[in-house]
Amino acid sequence: GAGVSQSPRYKVAKRGQDVALRCDPISGHVSLFWYQQALGQGPEFLTYFQNEAQLDKSGLPSDRFFAERPEGSVSTLKIQRTQQEDSAVYLCASSPWTGANTDTQYFGPGTRLTVL
Amino acid sequence: QQQVKQSPQSLIVQKGGIPIINCAYENTAFDYFPWYQQFPGKGPALLIAIRPDVSEKKEGRFTISFNKSAKQFSLHIMDSQPGDSATYFCAASKTGAGGYNKLIFGAGTRLAVHP
Repeated sequence: GAGVSQSPRYKVAKRGQDVALRCDPISGHVSLFWYQQALGQGPEFLTYFQNEAQLDKSGLPSDRFFAERPEGSVSTLKIQRTQQEDSAVYLCASSPWTGANTDTQYFGPGTRLTVL
Repeated sequence: QQQVKQSPQSLIVQKGGIPIINCAYENTAFDYFPWYQQFPGKGPALLIAIRPDVSEKKEGRFTISFNKSAKQFSLHIMDSQPGDSATYFCAASKTGAGGYNKLIFGAGTRLAVHP
């Protein structure tokens, strides 16, 4: 079956440009997560959606980062005025929701963002 | 503050060997400890996970050993194969309001299994 898909797979932006990264979760998955993975590091939590509600945005590094999931399915992570330190792979994951913290997250392949 | 510390950073073993990857955590509220496997250009995929009420869990060639008092857990890969060459991440999460799985990842271990 279809897994989590992300687009674009690669994005090159000039410093100061705005970018939008898209995530298509597995159909029916209530939970959606965004992570940032710097080169050679583990993923770091950015934000969490339960359906269309953004319940946790504690990991967003600055107010230049904004995420939405208006209809509870597709999600977009937007970065305004990109900086070089924003260069990373942005991973999206979705999972069913059972109310426990053990729900398996299914990750997409990521979007590699390079800011010049 | 790094909440989950993973070692070693990289590991090379011969086919058939048993690589061991270790993780230590600080937050005693963590109650779920998964391991993820990531191949180049792919997202991480869940390999195996453990809750702190058991000291060991085995699935196929993969085993997690858990030491609650030491706040440490490790992944063992039995009879390793070249196809196991990947980056492995330990992670941890805790039960909280909202009931979602907010994972804290280690920095990763790059494993190479030579034929």
